[in-house]
Amino acid sequence: DIQMTQSPSSLSASVGDRVTITCRASQGVSNYLAWFQQKPGKAPKSLIYAASTLQNGVPSKFSGSGSGTDFTLTISSVQPEDFATYYCQQYNSYPPTFGPGTKVDIK
Amino acid sequence: EVQLLESGGGLVQPGGSLRLSCAASGFTFSNNAMSWVRQAPGKGLEWVSGISGSGRNTYYADSVKGRFTISRDNSKNTLYLQMNSLKAEDTAVYYCARDLNVDFWSGYYGFFDCWGQGTLVTVSS
Repeated sequence: DIQMTQSPSSLSASVGDRVTITCRASQGVSNYLAWFQQKPGKAPKSLIYAASTLQNGVPSKFSGSGSGTDFTLTISSVQPEDFATYYCQQYNSYPPTFGPGTKVDIK
Repeated sequence: EVQLLESGGGLVQPGGSLRLSCAASGFTFSNNAMSWVRQAPGKGLEWVSGISGSGRNTYYADSVKGRFTISRDNSKNTLYLQMNSLKAEDTAVYYCARDLNVDFWSGYYGFFDCWGQGTLVTVSS
């Protein structure tokens, strides 16, 4: 199975900060990489697929980049509603696997 | 609007069985593969099982292979997960999730664009 790692595991940010989360795959996954946001007690919400394609309705403050083994999720100006846990997921190799998550909270 | 509504969770003893259901609406159900993804308390996400839009092809994580069975009834727009020989480590919130495509194929194994609200399964004596 492909192992996904994320860094940092948690971060504190102020409203308006630019936030960047890194995801790394143990083997190349091309651009078959997705990002999800999860708030406490809620289901995950898809944000980005194909490494950089925004899901319908997701605001443009979210962006994704990368290919192969190294990927990033950036929030250009973090707002109160963005404080949550973010997961990456590869879907190029069977079985699909998720990263351990990055918790973004308020400084 | 796409809606996925899980049901069937609850408390079950180790070795017991449970069947989860996921009622889908707002899209043509047979056009999309579906998956179950679980999340143990305080932990991350784990893909459990997937099924093609026709129901012909099924896929399982090694951790549940031989114990869980995924199925679907396209006439009822409903996805199922039959869970047998349950273990304590199966305790989790189980989410059903819609796939962007109709099936998995070599090099593509599931992007989940819509998720249900989840149903909690607790395996304990």
